[in-house]
Amino acid sequence: EAGVTQSPTHLIKTRGQQATLRCSPISGHTSVYWYQQALGLGLQFLLWYDEGEERNRGNFPPRFSGRQFPNYSSELNVNALELEDSALYLCASSPGLAVPYNEQFFGPGTRLTVL
Amino acid sequence: AQSVAQPEDQVNVAEGNPLTVKCTYSVSGNPYLFWYVQYPNRGLQFLLKYITGDNLVKGSYGFEAEFNKSQTSFHLKKPSALVSDSALYFCAVRDRVGYSTLTFGKGTMLLVSP
Repeated sequence: EAGVTQSPTHLIKTRGQQATLRCSPISGHTSVYWYQQALGLGLQFLLWYDEGEERNRGNFPPRFSGRQFPNYSSELNVNALELEDSALYLCASSPGLAVPYNEQFFGPGTRLTVL
Repeated sequence: AQSVAQPEDQVNVAEGNPLTVKCTYSVSGNPYLFWYVQYPNRGLQFLLKYITGDNLVKGSYGFEAEFNKSQTSFHLKKPSALVSDSALYFCAVRDRVGYSTLTFGKGTMLLVSP
């Protein structure tokens, strides 16, 4: 069974540009989560999608947005990039709301560098 | 609001010795608790979780954790450390209500020396 996949592996952008990160969950999983892992800050929750709906959002500005597609894959968009957006962005999936205590399965991440 | 504290940035232990990585949490109700491990340049891997029942939870790679409700702790333990256990360990908590999400601690780097 394939795990969570993310693309691209690395992304280099300049300040003010937009970045798009993609995630494919494990087959059968309906929930997708996005996290930001910046140096020294641990994992910060960004967004949670389930069945195409945004279920929860972390304390991030509106220029961080995303969506979930009918096949449950997801996209994270970051507009007007700032230097401090440089981080590892991790995507995770889980079976969904019917199993709230299930662990999340993480992808390898996308390393975003903003110059 | 829910929160997790991992009071040690780094834990050093010699191979073959027991290890403990500490975690305390705060939630409004009853928690779901998780431990994850992250190897360099990799995503997080699930180790174990507490949902309900037995306070001692056994997980992958010989790790275990003890849920202590009175002390709001969920410390990760292993009887005999391996050099290959060296990695970054994260504790996480989730409240049981509504659209609650996982809140992670800042992580503890475990270094096991030969």
